[in-house]
Amino acid sequence: EAQVTQNPRYLITVTGKKLTVTCSQNMNHEYMSWYRQDPGLGLRQIYYSMNVEVTDKGDVPEGYKVSRKEKRNFPLILESPSPNQTSLYFCASKRAGGHNEQFFGPGTRLTVL
Amino acid sequence: GQQLNQSPQSMFIQEGEDVSMNCTSSSIFNTWLWYKQDPGEGPVLLIALYKAGELTSNGRLTAQFGITRKDSFLNISASIPSDVGIYFCAGRGSQGNLIFGKGTKLSVKP
Repeated sequence: EAQVTQNPRYLITVTGKKLTVTCSQNMNHEYMSWYRQDPGLGLRQIYYSMNVEVTDKGDVPEGYKVSRKEKRNFPLILESPSPNQTSLYFCASKRAGGHNEQFFGPGTRLTVL
Repeated sequence: GQQLNQSPQSMFIQEGEDVSMNCTSSSIFNTWLWYKQDPGEGPVLLIALYKAGELTSNGRLTAQFGITRKDSFLNISASIPSDVGIYFCAGRGSQGNLIFGKGTKLSVKP
């Protein structure tokens, strides 16, 4: 089944404790991205990757890192999480080129105490 | 920066009623997308629009790409309980990035 998977789905952590949220897709998509969703703000892009070893900042990249060493994986790294990073995070992927749209993962709900 | 104004924020309707929601912007977009998000899940693409004036249907859903390229609407006809969820519009500008609206939360009373 074609899908985007994220792990973990739920995470409660404390300020300053490094964490990684993994994202994997099995559709051989070139493009992958991370969004955060907050009440009243909709979805905002954190980082995106056009292909392996190519990453770029989205609209809200501060406090986050990403890497794209393999085509299928695009982990989101929070080196020193803070409470304002408490949010619902979505990974998405799509094939490169026009008229190809993003498939979203199921989301990761992160709480930073 | 580019922003989308999506309205209404929420709707409470009776099963069988038609629904209409829209997105407007001061910026021009080359693509308009409509997604639906069910509780506990990620957004799922409903309709994609790539041409100004385009009117596209997907079952009971109809969406249009405004002729000015600054707006789009989504209509749902004869709503059913499983239409409940949050609907998002998204526009893609010349830079290629997607801008999302804040969502319309739809509640349907059986």
